[in-house]
Amino acid sequence: LAKTTQPISMDSYEGQEVNITCSHNNIATNDYITWYQQFPSQGPRFIIQGYKTKVTNEVASLFIPADRKSSTLSLPRVSLSDTAVYYCLVEGQDNFNKFYFGSGTKLNVKP
Amino acid sequence: GAVVSQHPSRVICKSGTSVKIECRSLDFQATTMFWYRQFPKKSLMLMATSNEGSKATYEQGVEKDKFLINHASLTLSTLTVTSAHPEDSSFYICSAPRQGAGGYTFGSGTRLTVV
Repeated sequence: LAKTTQPISMDSYEGQEVNITCSHNNIATNDYITWYQQFPSQGPRFIIQGYKTKVTNEVASLFIPADRKSSTLSLPRVSLSDTAVYYCLVEGQDNFNKFYFGSGTKLNVKP
Repeated sequence: GAVVSQHPSRVICKSGTSVKIECRSLDFQATTMFWYRQFPKKSLMLMATSNEGSKATYEQGVEKDKFLINHASLTLSTLTVTSAHPEDSSFYICSAPRQGAGGYTFGSGTRLTVV
């Protein structure tokens, strides 16, 4: 199972774009990269998933370079409510593969 | 769609008693669910994989006789913490694969406090 490494914490201000990078050097060919958001005392929430290049949805973008050994979650114009822990996970193509959480990145958005 | 409902959201129990936590897939069937526990300011730790119609598989170091998992139907998995002790106090979370899409959907979690 691919291990992920993220910064422990990041600070930002409202309205700024935030980029959180995750490294996953031993990602396998069939693995996807998924990002989750977790607020205190809540279960994680799916944000976005990608395999390569760029994926965009209504809340975020995910950039994955050609070697796929890292990925960057981009949050446009963050607000105070985006203060949370963000987890990067590498998941097998088979949804029944178990997966493990890394340490996550605590994003602090300041006014 | 793909909602996982977890109940109760919080529970306080006396040391030595057992507590059951339920995880239901509301609008889809889940042959596999996962159970995690999370300590304050820590990441989620996988405890076990719950398999419908068969025994759960536990992660190394997780006592299967203490954390009983039952997945009797395609929409319900339960975690029973038996003979609970204060050190079992934690945040327990379940998850299931998102249907028709990648990733997983998580329950809202259960805060267990053993006194």
